Amino acid sequence: KAGVTQTPRYLIKTRGQQVTLSCSPISGHRSVSWYQQTPGQGLQFLFEYFSETQRNKGNFPGRFSGRQFSNSRSEMNVSTLELGDSALYLCASSFGLGVLAKNIQYFGAGTRLSVL
Amino acid sequence: GESVGLHLPTLSVQEGDNSIINCAYSNSASDYFIWYKQESGKGPQFIIDIRSNMDKRQGQRVTVLLNKTVKHLSLQIAATQPGDSAVYFCAEDRGSQGNLIFGKGTKLSVKP
Repeated sequence: KAGVTQTPRYLIKTRGQQVTLSCSPISGHRSVSWYQQTPGQGLQFLFEYFSETQRNKGNFPGRFSGRQFSNSRSEMNVSTLELGDSALYLCASSFGLGVLAKNIQYFGAGTRLSVL
Repeated sequence: GESVGLHLPTLSVQEGDNSIINCAYSNSASDYFIWYKQESGKGPQFIIDIRSNMDKRQGQRVTVLLNKTVKHLSLQIAATQPGDSAVYFCAEDRGSQGNLIFGKGTKLSVKP
């Protein structure tokens, strides 16, 4: 069974640009969560999607957005990139909703975004 | 800052020794905890979880202990191997927030 796949693995962008990251969950998983990982702040929750609906959102500005498709694949978008957006962006999938089903979240390898 | 944190940022152990990684949490309403291992260049990998109605759970070479009285979680790795070298995170499910809250992580280094 294939794991969580994130593309691309690496990205270099400049300030002011926008970026779209992609995540394909484990087959059969319907919940996708996104996290930002930085050395200073650690792993911080961005948002969670289930059945194409955003179910939960972390404390990030509106420049960070996401969506989920009918096949459970998810994308996140960051507009007007800032230097501080440089981070590893991780996607995690689980079978059901993260809280109610207490499902284990399985992570992809992440997309390393560098903003110059 | 986050209320789920780790007492030590780094831990160095000798191969074959037992390792203990600690984690403190502040929300007594948290009812589910998970330990993840993250190797360089990879995403976090699930190790073991525990619910608040338990105080101990064992896996293969790993044991998680939960002390709700002092809001403390620990991960014990028996006979630590070089392949155990990684950053270990505890994560807390507070239920009401609908997502996991991660600690900062402890880097475990295993000396041969």
